[in-house]
Amino acid sequence: AQSVTQPDIHITVSEGASLELRCNYSYGATPYLFWYVQSPGQGLQLLLKYFSGDTLVQGIKGFEAEFKRSQSSFNLRKPSVHWSDAAEYFCAVGTGGGNKLTFGTGTQLKVEL
Amino acid sequence: GAGVSQTPSNKVTEKGKYVELRCDPISGHTALYWYRQSLGQGPEFLIYFQGTGAADDSGLPNDRFFAVRPEGSVSTLKIQRTERGDSAVYLCASSSGPTRGDEQFFGPGTRLTVL
Repeated sequence: AQSVTQPDIHITVSEGASLELRCNYSYGATPYLFWYVQSPGQGLQLLLKYFSGDTLVQGIKGFEAEFKRSQSSFNLRKPSVHWSDAAEYFCAVGTGGGNKLTFGTGTQLKVEL
Repeated sequence: GAGVSQTPSNKVTEKGKYVELRCDPISGHTALYWYRQSLGQGPEFLIYFQGTGAADDSGLPNDRFFAVRPEGSVSTLKIQRTERGDSAVYLCASSSGPTRGDEQFFGPGTRLTVL
């Protein structure tokens, strides 16, 4: 069965510092991978997705992620974090005949000013 | 245009009661999904509709949970004989189609508390 692991429950970075959030997945076929962000009181928002092709994908808000099949990873990165990036981040794999998403447990990002 | 809306935003009920949670998807979206998010967890898939029919209900935890989408738009998630363990945020999402590439747009959720 498919699964997603986000090993870091909480991460704190200083504003302006770089960020990397880890995600590992388990899925038998070619994965469809997603990163979502959830701010308090807001719905989940898609940051970026990977289906095929270039393994480095660009998303909104300056985020990018790199798919590494050999490591079963899809880590999210941002070169310079802004205070408004403080939120919870979820990695997900799409499976099934439709776009059924399996999510990780999330990483809570805190940004220190 | 308007996004996915969910009502009520909060629902408090007593153990054993029946509740209904409503989802209004983005107009024209044929696919609709329900997820449940417990405290400290990621969303967990419950059920997926393509049009009026439930294409995949493998995530419904037991027969106390049921969902309908009679006209292919609004959906209602129904929970009978609620239990304290049903307390969670119930999320609805819609997408323009059912393929794996279609982005799911999420609503703000309904926070269900069972006392």
